[in-house]
Amino acid sequence: NAGVTQTPKFQVLKTGQSMTLQCAQDMNHEYMSWYRQDPGMGLRLIHYSVGAGITDQGEVPNGYNVSRSTTEDFPLRLLSAAPSQTSVYFCASTRPGSQETQYFGPGTRLLVL
Amino acid sequence: EDQVTQSPEALRLQEGESSSLNCSYTVSGLRGLFWYRQDPGKGPEFLFTLYSAGEEKEKERLKATLTKKESFLHITAPKPEDSATYLCAVRAGGTSYGKLTFGQGTILTVHP
Repeated sequence: NAGVTQTPKFQVLKTGQSMTLQCAQDMNHEYMSWYRQDPGMGLRLIHYSVGAGITDQGEVPNGYNVSRSTTEDFPLRLLSAAPSQTSVYFCASTRPGSQETQYFGPGTRLLVL
Repeated sequence: EDQVTQSPEALRLQEGESSSLNCSYTVSGLRGLFWYRQDPGKGPEFLFTLYSAGEEKEKERLKATLTKKESFLHITAPKPEDSATYLCAVRAGGTSYGKLTFGQGTILTVHP
C-alpha cells in the first residue's frame, strides 16, 4: 500500500492564482481531512469528508474548496491564492477501528507571493 | 470552543534523562486524545489513542497517560532518535472521525 499520497511536494503561486492540491489514499478509508500547519500554531483543520459525496468545513475553511467524488481522492482547491495561504498542507485519512489511527501524507509546501 | 495547549514549547534533554510532555485540553465530551510524532519535513505519525481517564498506553520508551484535564507523554531514558515534534490532539463529542483539534506541539531535542 502507498498509504496517503500528496502532489505536488512544493508549489509557488502568485497572488490571485488558483490551484488544486491532490490527495489520494489506497486504504479504502471513508474519513479524510485537510489540515494546514503554520509555525507555532500546530495543525488546523480546513475541510473534512465522511465519505464520497459528503464534505464539511473545519476550523479555517475560507478560501478553500473541496469535493469527494470517490473514496480514494480528496482534492483541495485554492480559489484565489493569498499570501496568508502560505503554509504546509497535510492530507489525512482515518480508520475508525484500531484506535482511530489517522494516516498523514507527506505534505505540500505552498508559497504564495 | 475546543482547546489544546501543550507545554513546554521546546525541551532539551541529555540522552538517558527522562522527562514528561504535557497536553492540557478543554473539550466538550472527550471522544479520544491522540499523540503523534512529527519529524522535520514529514507528516505526523500516529503514536497513541487514549479514551478515558486513567488509561495508559506504552510503546518502547514512551508512555502516555490521561486524566480528565490533561495528558502526559513520559519519555524514559530517551535516545537522540527520539528527537522530534510531539503533537497532541483531541476529538470532541458529536464530531466525526478524523475531525481533530491539535495543540501547537512540543519540540524535543535529545543530545548524545
